[in-house]
Amino acid sequence: DAGITQSPRHKVTETGTPVTLRCHQTENHRYMYWYRQDPGHGLRLIHYSYGVKDTDKGEVSDGYSVSRSKTEDFLLTLESATSSQTSVYFCAIRTSGEYNEQFFGPGTRLTVL
Amino acid sequence: AQSVTQPDIHITVSEGASLELRCNYSYGATPYLFWYVQSPGQGLQLLLKYFSGDTLVQGIKGFEAEFKRSQSSFNLRKPSVHWSDAAEYFCAVGAGNNRKLIWGLGTSLAVNP
Repeated sequence: DAGITQSPRHKVTETGTPVTLRCHQTENHRYMYWYRQDPGHGLRLIHYSYGVKDTDKGEVSDGYSVSRSKTEDFLLTLESATSSQTSVYFCAIRTSGEYNEQFFGPGTRLTVL
Repeated sequence: AQSVTQPDIHITVSEGASLELRCNYSYGATPYLFWYVQSPGQGLQLLLKYFSGDTLVQGIKGFEAEFKRSQSSFNLRKPSVHWSDAAEYFCAVGAGNNRKLIWGLGTSLAVNP
């Protein structure tokens, strides 16, 4: 358990509304990630952060923005949600050490109607 | 291009039978390799990891994996499967100094009683 929580765990929203998902970690890891998981597509990286205010795009970043104003929190925002953003969203941290492995939060199931 | 292939989308085995899940990768340098497991409705859990040293690595839950450089493979094995092993299994390769992971699409394992 890498001390990662995600909120909310479930959310239903309507097309066109803004949505913010929060990832919180308790162990001061520098790297944090947002993924989405969809059937047939596996895990796809949306954005990641390598420090406070330092972020970079992943492979499916269109329609998403992120912010990291504190080490422990990494926010994912859908400015105007679309039905194609219905998915399960996972946050992860990367440890620092020999393997730099990633550990995952429990996920947020988002439904956009 | 860097990629990870898990050739088997779905596998069904009987409880007590042996298991091998295949993972092939394409990566120019010495890779960091990982196997994760995802139980239904859960987040991803790290099963095992490899970077160097003994090419047969032991993980949690009785799993092991063998790195074969000549075959660009990192196959996951378990000698005797339990019903609780039914889950989705993902292979991943660390890229860019492990800043990002390249993911396979996963193999879904079903276990017959």
